[in-house]
Amino acid sequence: DSGVTQTPKHLITATGQRVTLRCSPRSGDLSVYWYQQSLDQGLQFLIQYYNGEERAKGNILERFSAQQFPDLHSELNLSSLELGDSALYFCASNVGGIRTDTQYFGPGTRLTVL
Amino acid sequence: AQSVTQPDIHITVSEGASLELRCNYSYGATPYLFWYVQSPGQGLQLLLKYFSGDTLVQGIKGFEAEFKRSQSSFNLRKPSVHWSDAAEYFCAVGPRGGGSQGNLIFGKGTKLSVKP
Repeated sequence: DSGVTQTPKHLITATGQRVTLRCSPRSGDLSVYWYQQSLDQGLQFLIQYYNGEERAKGNILERFSAQQFPDLHSELNLSSLELGDSALYFCASNVGGIRTDTQYFGPGTRLTVL
Repeated sequence: AQSVTQPDIHITVSEGASLELRCNYSYGATPYLFWYVQSPGQGLQLLLKYFSGDTLVQGIKGFEAEFKRSQSSFNLRKPSVHWSDAAEYFCAVGPRGGGSQGNLIFGKGTKLSVKP
């Protein structure tokens, strides 16, 4: 158990819908990262938050957004869903700050868009 | 461009045999290096990491990896594979210094099957 929790574990929805994925980082971690794992693209970095502020953006679509709340949990919002958004979405956390450190991954949320 | 290459998509080894999974990276400077393992339906678990110092690093579950700067490689090894090692293995790199961008770049993964 990494200490990172993600809910829900599975999500099935229809095209055009909007969903919210939730992540709680390890106790004491300030940085949260979101990754998407798909068969064709592999594991891709989406976005990073550090202590409530956006720090880095990767290959995140404009239909996707995220935020980190004062209690440090994070939510990834996916809207106008398409079939191609079906994937496993991981959240990771670490202390963050001035030095790269090990990222600890949650169990993931499997999103299926029908 | 920054990238990680795992040339073997799928490897099958017999239980008890040795294992080497290859990883090469392209990066502006020597990055931090990681190997993660993903069992079916599970998240990513850190096996080992290299930040500095001894270029041969030991990890969990009997795995080790060797960093070779001249070859931009970080190959994962295990002397004797167990059936429970069947999983997908990911090599990843991250920037030194962290700063504003500490995100990881992953390889496509190598799926390991173990024959009894």
